[in-house]
Amino acid sequence: DAMVIQNPRYQVTQFGKPVTLSCSQTLNHNVMYWYQQKSSQAPKLLFHYYDKDFNNEADTPDNFQSRRPNTSFCFLDIRSPGLGDAAMYLCATSRGFRTYTQYFGPGTRLTVL
Amino acid sequence: DAKTTQPPSMDCAEGRAANLPCNHSTISGNEYVYWYRQIHSQGPQYIIHGLKNNETNEMASLIITEDRKSSTLILPHATLRDTAVYYCIVSLDDKIIFGKGTRLHILP
Repeated sequence: DAMVIQNPRYQVTQFGKPVTLSCSQTLNHNVMYWYQQKSSQAPKLLFHYYDKDFNNEADTPDNFQSRRPNTSFCFLDIRSPGLGDAAMYLCATSRGFRTYTQYFGPGTRLTVL
Repeated sequence: DAKTTQPPSMDCAEGRAANLPCNHSTISGNEYVYWYRQIHSQGPQYIIHGLKNNETNEMASLIITEDRKSSTLILPHATLRDTAVYYCIVSLDDKIIFGKGTRLHILP
């Protein structure tokens, strides 16, 4: 049973063309996270939502934005993708903080032409 | 920055126990030790976590030293499907900061 769903699995966009990645969850978890993972690197946390409270990592570029319209859905918007934004984007959820497991989706691989 | 140090790669024979070490010498009293793994082209998967005591679940065992400065993840009977990058993470609250992890190769 899919618990954290990411669509699409593969996304191709053009340099500078806005793109939105989607994440949904069937777990009813309070927290949703977005990570960026470049080739051969570890996942890097971009931001997270605790319910409607948004928390941005200090080094996340302004080019990256997020929306969470309801508990189940969270979106990652890249306003003007550059070649350096090509990566796997991972969505994760958890019930809360401390000792709560994070459940990851399969990721969306973004290619920027 | 990640607070853990792991060997970049390890090999283990199929059917043997895989013992993955992690050094977290700067861990604070309230920080938990988590292990996740990432199989190629998949999202990370939770394995186990602990605070002070050793822990065991259906996937693995976690052995934490008494001074909490290091830990070992044990996969009791490694299979080819355990080939993955294993991440050891220490975390107090909402953030999981991934280090470089250990790439575990299971040899047939």
